[in-house]
Amino acid sequence: DIQMTQSPASLSVSVGETVTITCRASENIYSNLAWYQQKQGKSPQLLVYAATNLADGVPSRFSGSGSGTQYSLKINSLQSEDFGSYYCQHFWGTPWTFGGGTKLEIK
Amino acid sequence: EVQLQQSGPELVKPGASVKMSCKASGYTFTSYVMHWVKQKPGQGLEWIGYINPYNDGTKYNEKFKGKATLTSDKSSSTAYMELSSLTSEDSAVYYCARGLITTVVAVDYYAMDYWGQGTSVTVSS
Repeated sequence: DIQMTQSPASLSVSVGETVTITCRASENIYSNLAWYQQKQGKSPQLLVYAATNLADGVPSRFSGSGSGTQYSLKINSLQSEDFGSYYCQHFWGTPWTFGGGTKLEIK
Repeated sequence: EVQLQQSGPELVKPGASVKMSCKASGYTFTSYVMHWVKQKPGQGLEWIGYINPYNDGTKYNEKFKGKATLTSDKSSSTAYMELSSLTSEDSAVYYCARGLITTVVAVDYYAMDYWGQGTSVTVSS
């Protein structure tokens, strides 16, 4: 199985700051990667697919990058509604595993 | 508007089975696969598998083979997941999610673009 190592596990930041979350795959996943946001008590929501493509309705302050085994989600100028947990998921060879998650908290 | 409406919370006894539903609306049910994802309390997400309602084809995470059974009903645009031989390890929220496939330069990229609200399963005697 492909392992997805996500970092950091948690992050405390202030509104207006820029953050980057990374995901490392145990083997090449050829950009078949998605990012999700999950707020407390809610369902996950798709942010990015195919490593770099924003899902419909996702603000442009979010961006995805990477290739091979290394991927990142960047959030520019954090807004209050951006706090929550973030997960990456690969789609290269089943099982399609998720990263362990990053919890983004308000400083 | 795409919506996935999941069935309500379940309290079940160890050793029993439970069947939950996910009713889709706002799109052609047979045009997208339906994924199922597990989330234990305070923990991360785990992919269980998917069903293709067009032909009832399924793909499972090996870990959930024998535990989860995915079915669908085209007439009601509803996907189902049955969990068997329940233990405390099965206590979790289970989500259904529509499968997105995007083809770029002949390469398919996948994601889960719409999610249900989740069904909570508690296994307790």
